[in-house]
Amino acid sequence: ETGVTQSPTHLIKTRGQQVTLRCSSQSGHNTVSWYQQALGQGPQFIFQYYREEENGRGNFPPRFSGLQFPNYSSELNVNALELDDSALYLCASSIGTANTGELFFGEGSRLTVL
Amino acid sequence: KNQVEQSPQSLIILEGKNCTLQCNYTVSPFSNLRWYKQDTGRGPVSLTIMTFSENTKSNGRYTATLDADTKQSSLHITASQLSDSASYICVVSRTVNTPLVFGKGTRLSVIA
Repeated sequence: ETGVTQSPTHLIKTRGQQVTLRCSSQSGHNTVSWYQQALGQGPQFIFQYYREEENGRGNFPPRFSGLQFPNYSSELNVNALELDDSALYLCASSIGTANTGELFFGEGSRLTVL
Repeated sequence: KNQVEQSPQSLIILEGKNCTLQCNYTVSPFSNLRWYKQDTGRGPVSLTIMTFSENTKSNGRYTATLDADTKQSSLHITASQLSDSASYICVVSRTVNTPLVFGKGTRLSVIA
């Protein structure tokens, strides 16, 4: 086990709704990064939070937003859900940025948008 | 364009056999290269991380090689087991605060 936990594990939403996904990082890790993984594809970087500040963002629209809390846990919020948002959402924690530190992934949250 | 290409897309081998997965990248400037194993529906698990100066690294039956000059890496699996059935993802890191670049993975199936 990686010590990174995500919730919920599965959820179903309808188009236009909003969703919040949660991630608890491994103890001592101050960085959380989020990824979207469509079926049969590699993960795509959404954004990264370091010490409660966003410090890197991939090619995702503003309706994808996030937060990191003082205990370094994190949330991913997606507004105005679209069918193409259906995917496995992964969070990963690390010490320092994802580029240099080893990443520890959670098991993911499987989102289905109908 | 910063890309990571993996081959083959999928592979089926008999239990006990060896196999090698390939990763070619055009990512620049290079910082490190990682291999992850991802079981179906689960999060990726790190196998190896290699920097520019490392050309081989092992983790049990997994051995990764890196040729930074040709921008190629391989993952060799020895004496495969049924539990090796998974997707293997190659990931390349550029400089600090730039997104990691993920390959699409190779789907490995080990059969009895």
